[in-house]
Amino acid sequence: KAGVTQTPRYLIKTRGQQVTLSCSPISGHRSVSWYQQTPGQGLQFLFEYFSETQRNKGNFPGRFSGRQFSNSRSEMNVSTLELGDSALYLCASSFGGANTEAFFGQGTRLTVV
Amino acid sequence: AQSVTQLDSHVSVSEGTPVLLRCNYSSSYSPSLFWYVQHPNKGLQLLLKYTSAATLVKGINGFEAEFKKSETSFHLTKPSAHMSDAAEYFCVVSLMNRDDKIIFGKGTRLHILP
Repeated sequence: KAGVTQTPRYLIKTRGQQVTLSCSPISGHRSVSWYQQTPGQGLQFLFEYFSETQRNKGNFPGRFSGRQFSNSRSEMNVSTLELGDSALYLCASSFGGANTEAFFGQGTRLTVV
Repeated sequence: AQSVTQLDSHVSVSEGTPVLLRCNYSSSYSPSLFWYVQHPNKGLQLLLKYTSAATLVKGINGFEAEFKKSETSFHLTKPSAHMSDAAEYFCVVSLMNRDDKIIFGKGTRLHILP
């Protein structure tokens, strides 16, 4: 079966712009989580959606937002981009629940210039 | 509060020698624990998981980890390193409580010396 698909794979934006990243989970998975990965901070949890509802949220400013559609596909939006937002953004899908395996996409590499 | 600490940011071992990647966790509840591996320019892949069954967990590619509640540890081991094991490894703790939060360690980069 198809894995988790993230689009686009690479993105370059300028400061102040906004960006939308997309994640298509594995068929049947209802939970989608987003993570930011940077060399300095490692992997940091952004938020998790389950059945179109945000169930958990990490410690990121309100510029970072997301949503999930009825087909479980999820989008993440970052507004007013800052240089520090440059990172690899990873999406993970699962059936939901704390002990279920999460499957990760290959990520979107965002560079803010 | 829950947390996970990977004690080494970098580990170097020679090919054919044992690997030990250390992970300690802090949790008020019974945790589920995972190890993920990330190869360069790739997404994360699950190596193994502990969910309150057997304390010694065997994963893919010859890796295993032992859950030690008294030491709050979940160290990852492999008897004999292979060049293809060079990657970054993440220890993850997840709680079976109402929050269902998942916490990643900062990662350990494993270098394999020829």
